[in-house]
Amino acid sequence: KAGVTQTPRYLIKTRGQQVTLSCSPISGHRSVSWYQQTPGQGLQFLFEYFSETQRNKGNFPGRFSGRQFSNSRSEMNVSTLELGDSALYLCASSLGPAYSPLHFGNGTRLTVT
Amino acid sequence: GDSVTQMEGPVTLSEEAFLTINCTYTATGYPSLFWYVQYPGEGLQLLLKATKADDKGSNKGFEATYRKETTSFHLEKGSVQVSDSAVYFCALNYNFNKFYFGSGTKLNVKP
Repeated sequence: KAGVTQTPRYLIKTRGQQVTLSCSPISGHRSVSWYQQTPGQGLQFLFEYFSETQRNKGNFPGRFSGRQFSNSRSEMNVSTLELGDSALYLCASSLGPAYSPLHFGNGTRLTVT
Repeated sequence: GDSVTQMEGPVTLSEEAFLTINCTYTATGYPSLFWYVQYPGEGLQLLLKATKADDKGSNKGFEATYRKETTSFHLEKGSVQVSDSAVYFCALNYNFNKFYFGSGTKLNVKP
């Protein structure tokens, strides 16, 4: 069974640009979550989608948005990039019910210059 | 609010030593507790979980017991190997898939 696939693996953008990250969950998983990982803040929850609906959202500004498609694939968009957005962005999928373990992708490393 | 606190790292041990990584949590409800592991260059992987008080999660020789009275979920292994070198994250969850992660503890095991 294929794991969670995130593309691209690496991105370099300049301040003010926008970026879109993609995540393909494990087949059969209907929940997709996004996390930001930085050395200073650790892993922080961005948002979670289930069956194309956002069920939960973390404490990030509105520049961070996401969506989920009918095939459960998800995209995350960050607009007006700031230097502080440089991070490893992790996508995780799960079956969906509460307490379901997360299965993580290897992440997209975003560098903002 | 909800949060997870882990012991600071890095933790450096010799092969076959006993491992304990402390984890305590604060939660307003009754969460499930998890340990995730991140090997170098890889994504996080679920190591073990416990869904209610007094449950013991175990996997690959690692164990952790959900202690409600001390709000703790310490990770233990009786004999570590070099291949256990990784970053370990404690996490809690009870609200759909919003997980709260600790800051991670890096483990270095020397041969």
